[in-house]
Amino acid sequence: QQQVKQSPQSLIVQKGGISIINCAYENTAFDYFPWYQQFPGKGPALLIAIRPDVSEKKEGRFTISFNKSAKQFSLHIMDSQPGDSATYFCAAASRGSTLGRLYFGRGTQLTVWP
Amino acid sequence: DAGVTQSPTHLIKTRGQQVTLRCSPISGHKSVSWYQQVLGQGPQFIFQYYEKEERGRGNFPDRFSARQFPNYSSELNVNALLLGDSALYLCASSFGDRAWDTIYFGEGSWLTVV
Repeated sequence: QQQVKQSPQSLIVQKGGISIINCAYENTAFDYFPWYQQFPGKGPALLIAIRPDVSEKKEGRFTISFNKSAKQFSLHIMDSQPGDSATYFCAAASRGSTLGRLYFGRGTQLTVWP
Repeated sequence: DAGVTQSPTHLIKTRGQQVTLRCSPISGHKSVSWYQQVLGQGPQFIFQYYEKEERGRGNFPDRFSARQFPNYSSELNVNALLLGDSALYLCASSFGDRAWDTIYFGEGSWLTVV
């Protein structure tokens, strides 16, 4: 079963708007939550990551919000730009595991209109 | 510095055939993982190798095998190909063996099974 559930599947935002992608998980052993950005024909690239000891992490226009009690986390892209058009994947992992395995959501295809 | 390099980039195989995909990790990285990404979905973990030893495998049949060489490069082999094996196969490398070590993905090998 899908260990990380991601929504929406696709998102269309106007330039300058805010893009919001949500993810949820069930496994309480997860304690590392990265977001990856993938452009067509390319492999996923790490965008930003958070650990559950903080509720929010911001890097430039990208912010992760984390709600440990609800087992949910989200990516906010402020002032969205056409160059942000890509597929975004949330992922989760357990830092305590001896296996460096990421569990990915199904992805959100973001289109930013100029 | 070179990133994660994979070869071949595209290939077409017939059902029942065997395929070998190759990966060179970033220099200095000792961990290599393989993921399968079916069109429209997130990457699914297949294998992780660290210091030439298999650390774990995902929910994939025994037709999938891999190995890591002394120079840390890796090969993924898939035998008795099925139509459902058509996907983007991603190699990822990291310095350490944990999920929270920054994981870098290659651009992938597109496999089409006809």
